[in-house]
Formats: sequence, C-alpha cells, structure tokens
Amino acid sequence: GENVEQHPSTLSVQEGDSAVIKCTYSDSASNYFPWYKQELGKRPQLIIDIRSNVGEKKDQRIAVTLNKTAKHFSLHITETQPEDSAVYFCAAGYTGNQFYFGTGTSLTVIP
Amino acid sequence: EAGVAQSPRYKIIEKRQSVAFWCNPISGHATLYWYQQILGQGPKLLIQFQNNGVVDDSQLPKDRFSAERLKGVDSTLKIQPAKLEDSAVYLCASSAGGLFGYTFGSGTRLTVV
Repeated sequence: GENVEQHPSTLSVQEGDSAVIKCTYSDSASNYFPWYKQELGKRPQLIIDIRSNVGEKKDQRIAVTLNKTAKHFSLHITETQPEDSAVYFCAAGYTGNQFYFGTGTSLTVIP
Repeated sequence: EAGVAQSPRYKIIEKRQSVAFWCNPISGHATLYWYQQILGQGPKLLIQFQNNGVVDDSQLPKDRFSAERLKGVDSTLKIQPAKLEDSAVYLCASSAGGLFGYTFGSGTRLTVV
C-alpha cells in the first residue's frame, strides 16, 4: 500500500511568517492529495487538495504544490495567524478510495 | 447539508468489555470509512464500505473488531473484547466517490482502562 511521510513533526513560526510542511508518498498511482487541519479535540477538516494533473493550487493564504516525478507535495501557509495553530495532516490516495495519512505536523503560530 | 453523524462522543470502558460506535454518513454518500486515530498519530483506515459491501478491511483486527453497514446507509463498529491499546478516537468519514474527497465526523473518543 501507500506510505506517506510528513515533516516536520512540530513547527513554530512567528505570526506573519510563512510555514511549510512537506510530504512524500510511495505509490506513483496515487492521484489525489488532500490536506487536513485538526484543532484540538475536533475532527480533521479539509483545507485544500490537489490532483495529480495539477502542479500547484492556491486558496488565499494557503497553497499546495505537487511534484509527481519526485513524489512529494507541500503545504505553504503565508502570513500566518494564531488561528492557524493546529495539527496538519497530508494524505495521498485515489479519489473514491481510501487515503493514507501522514503522521501530522503540529503548527504553533506565536503572536 | 448535514455532516457525518457519530455517537457516542466519548466512551470509557474497562479492558475486556465490549463497545459499539455508530455512524450516519452524509445523505447519498455511497462510500463509508472507519478510521482509528491514536493520540499523536495520523488516522489509520480500519475498514471501507461501498454501499453495504466491504471494499477493504485488511487493517481491521478481525479477532476483536467487526463492522457492518447492512442497509448501505449507517454503520456500526464494534470492539469485543477491548484492549488498552484500543484507546483512540474512532473517526467515520463518507464520500460521494469519483473525484471527491471525503468528510469526517466528529469522532468517538474511546478510553480503555
């Protein structure tokens, strides 16, 4: 099956700075790469996703890039705010099928 | 649209007892997933249903875990008997399939003492 690795496991940034989280995957057949944000005690919420036919996608302060050749994808958060503090999970898989999750990155934005 | 409903929200049981969790997916979503999330880790798939059929249960510890989705709508996940290492959040998710991702429920936090 798919194996997803995520780095770093913890990340602290000053408010206003950028944060980058990186993931690698093993199965070249994976075609869908969602990112989830999970606040303490709450459900994971989809924040952005990218499909294998696209190299980059942006939604306001959040962007995701995908390098299919290298089998890695990254989440970029610009102008970070305290409310961005949460655990972020990357995932990889096929649409309509199960996703394999990374181990999570705990992001802390320091005011 | 209504989200994925799960109950109960919290459950504390002693080891060797049994427990059941319930999930009602988003209306019309054919695919339903049960994930186990141990504290500090990413969600791990236990079982995937397509309508009322099992697509993948390769990571379900079948000696103690069972799940069903008899009418292709809501689903029940059972653990019998529970072990200490089963303490986790059990997340249900549903998907319309095709090109869509999926939505998680709020989860059931299980503590086995």
